[in-house]
Amino acid sequence: DAGVIQSPRHEVTEMGQEVTLRCKPISGHDYLFWYRQTMMRGLELLIYFNNNVPIDDSGMPEDRFSAKMPNASFSTLKIQPSEPRDSAVYFCASSFEGGSEQYFGPGTRLTVT
Amino acid sequence: TQLLEQSPQFLSIQEGENLTVYCNSSSVFSSLQWYRQEPGEGPVLLVTVVTGGEVKKLKRLTFQFGDARKDSSLHITAAQPGDTGLYLCAGLTYNQGGKLIFGQGTELSVKP
Repeated sequence: DAGVIQSPRHEVTEMGQEVTLRCKPISGHDYLFWYRQTMMRGLELLIYFNNNVPIDDSGMPEDRFSAKMPNASFSTLKIQPSEPRDSAVYFCASSFEGGSEQYFGPGTRLTVT
Repeated sequence: TQLLEQSPQFLSIQEGENLTVYCNSSSVFSSLQWYRQEPGEGPVLLVTVVTGGEVKKLKRLTFQFGDARKDSSLHITAAQPGDTGLYLCAGLTYNQGGKLIFGQGTELSVKP
């Protein structure tokens, strides 16, 4: 398996623009997680899905952030409009079952100017 | 809010030295995982500890889960430059489904 795939790897955008981050989890994994990592706040869980259904979105910062999982092999995290404080590395991870090992993608480094 | 406190946050040592990283919480965890992250990559699982008092060894790395399942430690013997990276502990609580609580991480630098 290719592991968790994320795209793009790097994104530079201007404040106010819409940003869409994409993730393909490992086939057969029922859980998908979106995290944000910064120096100041560390690794923060934004939202996670079980069998394509959002279970906990309490970590989503505000209404500018939204996430979808239309099928078992694809998820998106959208920021609209983006702000400079959204600059961070965003990771997608998947796991076979809840609480088991999480496999992380390589991350998307987002810079909002 | 459940928190996992890791210490130290930063550690810079010489090759061959020993070190210990601590992960503490007031919450009880059903299991605890340790991950290592290298620059430009996502975290990778090193070990999972499940039973209170459990000790697991991975070559020069020794992981221990506290008896009360509220804390854990990672000890590295004779550190090598290849051990350099960010070490993260992550706890799974009984009422959080599949959600892991991550510590802030310990940034380790091992100089040759």
